[in-house]
Amino acid sequence: GDSVTQMEGPVTLSEEAFLTINCTYTATGYPSLFWYVQYPGEGLQLLLKATKADDKGSNKGFEATYRKETTSFHLEKGSVQVSDSAVYFCALHFGGGTSYGKLTFGQGTILTVHP
Amino acid sequence: DARVTQTPRHKVTEMGQEVTMRCQPILGHNTVFWYRQTMMQGLELLAYFRNRAPLDDSGMPKDRFSAEMPDATLATLKIQPSEPRDSAVYFCASGGPPQGGGSYNEQFFGPGTRLTVL
Repeated sequence: GDSVTQMEGPVTLSEEAFLTINCTYTATGYPSLFWYVQYPGEGLQLLLKATKADDKGSNKGFEATYRKETTSFHLEKGSVQVSDSAVYFCALHFGGGTSYGKLTFGQGTILTVHP
Repeated sequence: DARVTQTPRHKVTEMGQEVTMRCQPILGHNTVFWYRQTMMQGLELLAYFRNRAPLDDSGMPKDRFSAEMPDATLATLKIQPSEPRDSAVYFCASGGPPQGGGSYNEQFFGPGTRLTVL
């Protein structure tokens, strides 16, 4: 079945450091790919998405490019802030019929940014 | 500002008691999801509904958990009897349909119900 694998966490960085969180997926076709973020004490919220190969999703300084050849969707940010401390989830959507709308999530990566 | 609401936000109960969690999806959304989040298991999909009908509840322990949508504005998740291993944060999320201005690709999450079973 479809699955998402994220890099092991937690990740600890200093403010202004470069961030990469790796995400690879397994799917039988070409899914839509997402990054969700969960701030402390809150629910998940969509950070960015890409719906086809070579698309780049971006939001709040974060970027991720849909790489079909490596089945990857790595999250990057050039300069992290303390306020970026959160849990980041990679997810995919690929399904028709009753599966339409169902997301498959990775295990989440905890990011802590120190001043 | 449309958002998913969940009640209660926190619940502490004793083993064996019944627990009911409620969710109000975003108006116009026709798909509702229930998730459970723990440190050990991460985020697990328990069940989801479309147009109030259950589509998949395979992630839910059937002997003690039940999920329903009495109407389009209310989803409930009930645990009876509750056990300490049910302690977790339970999230509701809603989404779609595209013709309603939504997207089946994006889910909107509520703030969660933090359940502690003693």
